[in-house]
Amino acid sequence: QVTLRESGPALVRPTQTLTLTCTFSGFSLSTSGMCVSWIRQPPGKALEWLARIDWDDDKYYSTSLKTRLTISRDTSKNQVVLTVTNMDPLDTATYYCARQMMGGSKPFDFWGQGALVTVSS
Amino acid sequence: QSVLTQPPSVSGAPGQRVTISCTGSFSNIGARYDVHWYQQLPGTAPRLLIYGDTNRPSGVPDRFSGSKSGTSASLAIAGLQSEDEADYYCQSYDSSLRSTVFGGGTKLTVL
Repeated sequence: QVTLRESGPALVRPTQTLTLTCTFSGFSLSTSGMCVSWIRQPPGKALEWLARIDWDDDKYYSTSLKTRLTISRDTSKNQVVLTVTNMDPLDTATYYCARQMMGGSKPFDFWGQGALVTVSS
Repeated sequence: QSVLTQPPSVSGAPGQRVTISCTGSFSNIGARYDVHWYQQLPGTAPRLLIYGDTNRPSGVPDRFSGSKSGTSASLAIAGLQSEDEADYYCQSYDSSLRSTVFGGGTKLTVL
């Protein structure tokens, strides 16, 4: 079955870089049409899409955050990595990775449990 | 402020029917991009509820239904149950932003 799991630091200092890893199973990111996105949710607030990486290694970023985001993949390890530079307390959120098939207009059919990241000095 | 607009809250008594709206524009819902809906129970990840405007994944009760017209979409929940109390989000794609977009979320309270 398809599973995704986020991992990374629970606490980050302001100005530091956050690195999150999504480890997945039950599908291959090398398979045509497969995509993995990162989505975040500040406490008590709405979901916000951040970035997506596709089966062909194409990458897409949120317009408002693209200068701070980098998404990459390791297909041999079934992992997708997101880095966020210059972290700020406003970046405190639960970060989710989720699977899509065939691009950004499609639904997220499987989600990880989420990783809460707090930005504080 | 989210690209897709949802009411912050809705409520209904057990057994009643409620609807949640999701209003977009000509660069997203109006451009005929699919609308998808998610249910998020407290402390859990979102769960896909409706995809492609009107379709239910396996395991989702037929009490949940979706519709779309023009630049808006709606989620209807019939026969409200206490376990339906959750946050609900719509999702689509915006061609101007070239990105996936979410609504601001709607909190459903079962009275």
